[in-house]
Amino acid sequence: AQSVAQPEDQVNVAEGNPLTVKCTYSVSGNPYLFWYVQYPNRGLQFLLKYITGDNLVKGSYGFEAEFNKSQTSFHLKKPSALVSDSALYFCAVSLDTGRRALTFGSGTRLQVQP
Amino acid sequence: NAGVTQTPKFRILKIGQSMTLQCTQDMNHNYMYWYRQDPGMGLKLIYYSVGAGITDKGEVPNGYNVSRSTTEDFPLRLELAAPSQTSVYFCASNERVGTGELFFGEGSRLTVL
Repeated sequence: AQSVAQPEDQVNVAEGNPLTVKCTYSVSGNPYLFWYVQYPNRGLQFLLKYITGDNLVKGSYGFEAEFNKSQTSFHLKKPSALVSDSALYFCAVSLDTGRRALTFGSGTRLQVQP
Repeated sequence: NAGVTQTPKFRILKIGQSMTLQCTQDMNHNYMYWYRQDPGMGLKLIYYSVGAGITDKGEVPNGYNVSRSTTEDFPLRLELAAPSQTSVYFCASNERVGTGELFFGEGSRLTVL
């Protein structure tokens, strides 16, 4: 079985400050890990993914995520938050066999205050 | 540049009614999915398809049916609607299951009263 936990329902950060949205995962094997963002009344949009290789992955809109195998984590980060980053963020996982659909976390709402 | 298109965007059903949510994609993706999104629960996989004529159950398939007669279309059928099916439904597609970026439609908000 595969699962994802996002321990924070909401993260509040001031504009210009660094942000972190946490994600931990559980799979029986090597994971493929993803971050998606959802703006109000829209579908999810892909931000970045980790398949293999460098543990630090860079994605869209200045976001990056760090894969930590020992801590089974894949936290999303950005050095300087923008008000326009306010949205719902989802972490997702699948197995490296590539034969399973993604399993999503419950989501974390990011609020960036001006 | 349509991507994944879902219809309708909103629908209110009475208990026991049936309906079909339509989903079509123009990216020639083999893999298509239906998810439901409930507040605080993330997305749960209902059904998915790896190609025309092939479908399989996800985590929460009860009360739903799907078909995949063409690469482009993947309709989701709700039979005998129940209040527990009140949710936002998302269709998605990608090139490769598990590793490829998912492309989502904008969602269909269904209310069962």
